[in-house]
Amino acid sequence: EPEVTQTPSHQVTQMGQEVILRCVPISNHLYFYWYRQILGQKVEFLVSFYNNEISEKSEIFDDQFSVERPDGSNFTLKIRSTKLEDSAMYFCASSPDKLGNTIYFGEGSWLTVV
Amino acid sequence: RKEVEQDPGPFNVPEGATVAFNCTYSNSASQSFFWYRQDCRKEPKLLMSVYSSGNEDGRFTAQLNRASQYISLLIRDSKLSDSATYLCVVNRGGTGGFKTIFGAGTRLFVKA
Repeated sequence: EPEVTQTPSHQVTQMGQEVILRCVPISNHLYFYWYRQILGQKVEFLVSFYNNEISEKSEIFDDQFSVERPDGSNFTLKIRSTKLEDSAMYFCASSPDKLGNTIYFGEGSWLTVV
Repeated sequence: RKEVEQDPGPFNVPEGATVAFNCTYSNSASQSFFWYRQDCRKEPKLLMSVYSSGNEDGRFTAQLNRASQYISLLIRDSKLSDSATYLCVVNRGGTGGFKTIFGAGTRLFVKA
């Protein structure tokens, strides 16, 4: 069964450092997403991406964050100048349909900022 | 008020019990509705979409009431493997696409 893969599974970084989280969406999917889940809290939408552009973003997704599809397979989330409160599980997801009726999540990248 | 609200739980039930999860959403612009399941420290996985006509998948039945902005999930004959957190999820239109809004989840423990 095709799956969304994410790397790294866990990263520890110092406050103020830049982090890049990588994702390989399912190959025939066109719609990509990032979510985050702070420990013990709900899953939160960050951004959606289609046709090499951001199609929607949440209030959380400020100038500290950026996304990119650098090649035909990878989809990345960059967090500049990390803060302690950025510590969370970051989920990448992809979907074959525009309305997100079937969204497949990766296993997540756990980011710890110290 | 939270945009998607769920029973806080947790629910502790014996095997074979019937369990009902409730969810309400506040934004009438919400377009599509889902139940996801999330195991501890794992990714959410789609359990089922929810339609106004109601839909059933084996032991699972979901219902949507747009007028009262209410979504439900019923699990019959619960199994130990049903133990997880159940997430009510709503897609709402945004400026360029849609946003996926998650409820905080209701934890279910099924005991032998």
